[in-house]
Amino acid sequence: GEDVEQSLFLSVREGDSSVINCTYTDSSSTYLYWYKQEPGAGLQLLTYIFSNMDMKQDQRLTVLLNKKDKHLSLRIADTQTGDSAIYFCALSRNAGNNRKLIWGLGTSLAVNP
Amino acid sequence: NAGVMQNPRHLVRRRGQEARLRCSPMKGHSHVYWYRQLPEEGLKFMVYLQKENIIDESGMPKERFSAEFPKEGPSILRIQQVVRGDSAAYFCASSPSRQGQNTEAFFGQGTRLTVV
Repeated sequence: GEDVEQSLFLSVREGDSSVINCTYTDSSSTYLYWYKQEPGAGLQLLTYIFSNMDMKQDQRLTVLLNKKDKHLSLRIADTQTGDSAIYFCALSRNAGNNRKLIWGLGTSLAVNP
Repeated sequence: NAGVMQNPRHLVRRRGQEARLRCSPMKGHSHVYWYRQLPEEGLKFMVYLQKENIIDESGMPKERFSAEFPKEGPSILRIQQVVRGDSAAYFCASSPSRQGQNTEAFFGQGTRLTVV
């Protein structure tokens, strides 16, 4: 089965909050990441959280980590049309230099005006 | 400081030809990672290289695929005798060589390979 699961689609109205969810199976992950991919573009790191944290906030972005339930979420406040993209949850398998990341399939966020 | 540079951005190959994908890491980065993004499978780790060394190639297909990161020049992902199933976006990421802390891997814009 999949190591990292995300719902594939999310649609919100401009100005609302978006919550993108991710569940995973490997409890040994050290860092958990959220990446953004716009059409035809590369992958942009949005934020990350270390596994001993519960929450991290960075401007409009809030990351919540529930280690017990192995659940990670990304909340985007005041969602804008420019936030339309695919959002990937990714986990590092090992600490240190090997950034061998395990990825979800991505959640496609559509922001409607 | 330019980001991770991948070229070409788009590559079309006929079945049976060879594809060579290049990745120049960010300045000062000595670690390179290759990922493949297939439409139905999402991103998958392929290989992790340091200068002149392959550290982890557990995600590389056993045949036709090879990667190198020479002392001078870009990292190359080489696919011999391409087949339609190789059509995908191939992403390269690089990171610096600091130990003991989270070091972000910066991604290139990818090479989109289409096999016809």
